[in-house]
Amino acid sequence: KQEVTQIPAALSVPEGENLVLNCSFTDSAIYNLQWFRQDPGKGLTSLLLIQSSQREQTSGRLNASLDKSSGRSTLYIAASQPGDSATYLCAAGTYNTDKLIFGTGTRLQVFP
Amino acid sequence: IAGITQAPTSQILAAGRRMTLRCTQDMRHNAMYWYRQDLGLGLRLIHYSNTAGTTGKGEVPDGYSVSRANTDDFPLTLASAVPSQTSVYFCASSPQGTGNYGYTFGSGTRLTVV
Repeated sequence: KQEVTQIPAALSVPEGENLVLNCSFTDSAIYNLQWFRQDPGKGLTSLLLIQSSQREQTSGRLNASLDKSSGRSTLYIAASQPGDSATYLCAAGTYNTDKLIFGTGTRLQVFP
Repeated sequence: IAGITQAPTSQILAAGRRMTLRCTQDMRHNAMYWYRQDLGLGLRLIHYSNTAGTTGKGEVPDGYSVSRANTDDFPLTLASAVPSQTSVYFCASSPQGTGNYGYTFGSGTRLTVV
């Protein structure tokens, strides 16, 4: 059974810092790894999707990497801003279930 | 604006009552999903539909039913609500139900069963 874990559960950093959010998964038979952002009381917004054949994806200040062999993905946020404050969730598209399995998220606060 | 519409936004429901959460998408996606989100447990899949006319059970299907009469709509019904069904419910869709596709989420329905 696929299990997705995100560490840390919460993170508070000053504005301008570069930071890394971690995601690990137990079953390496995935077809993609997706990162989402969730603002309080809102739905999920897709940030990046990494296909299993890819190593990384970039969008603006965000860079997501994927290492299937070690069961890890990281989301790198450069030059963090207060507007980046949100919960970040990763989800693995897994062949066994053929559906997305979500981690419990990292709650990020960026203070001025 | 293309996307997913969920209704209602929030609801307080007496235990034992029946309720249907509505979900409509206008992207002509074949696959649709219902997740519930609970503190500390993340998002868990309740039911899914890979295409109109078919449905399947997810991780936590008990107490819920779904139907998929057409491509656009995917209602979730609680036949007899219980307090443990208090949660935030998200509907999502993707172009296909199998393989490598991104998901689009609705803004959620916050349900409180008392």
